[in-house]
Amino acid sequence: QKEVEQDPGPLSVPEGAIVSLNCTYSNSAFQYFMWYRQYSRKGPELLMYTYSSGNKEDGRFTAQVDKSSKYISLFIRDSQPSDSATYLCAMSRFTGGGNKLTFGTGTQLKVEL
Amino acid sequence: DAGVIQSPRHEVTEMGQEVTLRCKPISGHNSLFWYRQTMMRGLELLIYFNNNVPIDDSGMPEDRFSAKMPNASFSTLKIQPSEPRDSAVYFCASSLEAGGTGVHEQYFGPGTRLTVT
Repeated sequence: QKEVEQDPGPLSVPEGAIVSLNCTYSNSAFQYFMWYRQYSRKGPELLMYTYSSGNKEDGRFTAQVDKSSKYISLFIRDSQPSDSATYLCAMSRFTGGGNKLTFGTGTQLKVEL
Repeated sequence: DAGVIQSPRHEVTEMGQEVTLRCKPISGHNSLFWYRQTMMRGLELLIYFNNNVPIDDSGMPEDRFSAKMPNASFSTLKIQPSEPRDSAVYFCASSLEAGGTGVHEQYFGPGTRLTVT
């Protein structure tokens, strides 16, 4: 079983829709939870991160963490065609050798006009 | 800032050949990461350097893979001999880790798309 599970999609939604992206994880040692966005043929870029259970909002994006269920979500309000990308969840735990990120496989999102 | 620079952007080679991928991290960053991305396995960490020292190479798949970081501004990932199953996009990322357990944003390069025939 993978430490981080993410539905690969693809997910296609109309412009203006609310998008929900999710990941589950199995390792309770994960401390920080991140969402990266990756445009086609580009490297991933950090979108937002959270530390504790609860919600964090940044503009049209809301990250949600439920540590008791080992479940994280990213919500996108008023989705735009420019949001079309692959969204990867990532989680980190501090090891003796520093911070390591474990990524989900990514969910491909397409926002249609 | 130019960001993380990787070369080449595309590499096509035949099975058995040696492949060398190059990375220049963001100036001032002290940590460097090599990842491999495939459709099936997603983004996998291969090796992680901190202050030019390899800290964790547990993700390096086999002895055919090796990585070096001779100085703070350059790193290489070498595959010798290459095999078709090594075909993937290889990313280099760098970050500034100032200690502690907080989030240290990793900045990714554009990747090298490797095809081994």
